[in-house]
Amino acid sequence: AQSVTQPDIHITVSEGASLELRCNYSYGATPYLFWYVQSPGQGLQLLLKYFSGDTLVQGIKGFEAEFKRSQSSFNLRKPSVHWSDAAEYFCAVVDANTGGFKTIFGAGTRLFVKA
Amino acid sequence: NAGVTQTPKFRILKIGQSMTLQCTQDMNHNYMYWYRQDPGMGLKLIYYSVGAGITDKGEVPNGYNVSRSTTEDFPLRLELAAPSQTSVYFCASHLGRGNSPLHFGNGTRLTVT
Repeated sequence: AQSVTQPDIHITVSEGASLELRCNYSYGATPYLFWYVQSPGQGLQLLLKYFSGDTLVQGIKGFEAEFKRSQSSFNLRKPSVHWSDAAEYFCAVVDANTGGFKTIFGAGTRLFVKA
Repeated sequence: NAGVTQTPKFRILKIGQSMTLQCTQDMNHNYMYWYRQDPGMGLKLIYYSVGAGITDKGEVPNGYNVSRSTTEDFPLRLELAAPSQTSVYFCASHLGRGNSPLHFGNGTRLTVT
């Protein structure tokens, strides 16, 4: 069965420091991969996505992610974190094989930013 | 452009009561979903629909029902509320292609006591 693992429940980063959030997926075919961000009291918003082509994808707010098939990973990065990046981040994979384009989410990583 | 709209934002129910969470979207998306979000668990799919008149169970359907009479609306029904249904509920819609993202509402926070 498809699954997504985010091994870090929470991460604390100093403002201006770099960030990497880890994501591993289990999927039998070429995956459709997504990163979403959730601010408190809000729904999830798309950061970026990958489904083919260049394995380094750019998203909104200066985020990028790299798809590594050999490691089944899709880690999210940002060179310099801003206080407004504090939020919860979800990695997700779309199951395009069983109908309904169901999205499977990881458990999320909460990012804390310290001044 | 409203996108996906959920009502109510908050609700407290007593055990055994019933309620309907409303969801409507104005993007003409055929695919719609209900997720529940619990701390540390990510989002779990309750039910989904691929078009008007078609619904199917997700990962955690027990205790819930849905209907889809129009493309725009996808209400979620709780018949006999239980404390285990205390959660934040999100409705989302999708264009129906693998590389399309989900569009989320702002959620309904439900407490069952």
